[in-house]
Amino acid sequence: DSGVTQTPKHLITATGQRVTLRCSPRSGDLSVYWYQQSLDQGLQFLIQYYNGEERAKGNILERFSAQQFPDLHSELNLSSLELGDSALYFCASSEREGLRETQYFGPGTRLLVL
Amino acid sequence: EDKVVQSPLSLVVHEGDTVTLNCSYEVTNFRSLLWYKQEKKAPTFLFMLTSSGIEKKSGRLSSILDKKELFSILNITATQTGDSAVYLCAVDNYGQNFVFGPGTRLSVLP
Repeated sequence: DSGVTQTPKHLITATGQRVTLRCSPRSGDLSVYWYQQSLDQGLQFLIQYYNGEERAKGNILERFSAQQFPDLHSELNLSSLELGDSALYFCASSEREGLRETQYFGPGTRLLVL
Repeated sequence: EDKVVQSPLSLVVHEGDTVTLNCSYEVTNFRSLLWYKQEKKAPTFLFMLTSSGIEKKSGRLSSILDKKELFSILNITATQTGDSAVYLCAVDNYGQNFVFGPGTRLSVLP
């Protein structure tokens, strides 16, 4: 158990809908990362927050947005969902901003868009 | 465009064999290269490499980076069935992006 929690574990929804994925980092970790893993695209970095501020942006679609709250939990919002958004979404956390070697992954949220 | 390539994509060996996994990259502003092991679910961190020629070692696993030739290798000696997993290589380009390779699927047969 990495100490990173993600909810829900599974999510099934329809095209065009909007969902929110939630991540609670390990106690004391200020940095949160979001990743998408699909069969055809592999693991892709989406976005990073550090202490409430956006720090780095990867291959995140405009239909997706994220934020990190004062209590350091983070939410990833996916809107106007398409079939291709079906994937495993991971959250990871690390203690400081740039120390990727101490990055701990949560168990993931599996999203299925029908 | 930043790119990370891994080879082979798939590998089947028997217990006790030694394997070498390859990762080559092209990124605009290299900061570090990381190796992860992914079994059933979330990736777990193995190594982070920032300097050329310095081997990192953890038990039967070791890794080295060549920043001139833009590649890294991950060696696993005396493989065990528990080493069966997908091994991911990723490159950090100073916070602009974090690019993963497609992974090498290693299967270790008893």
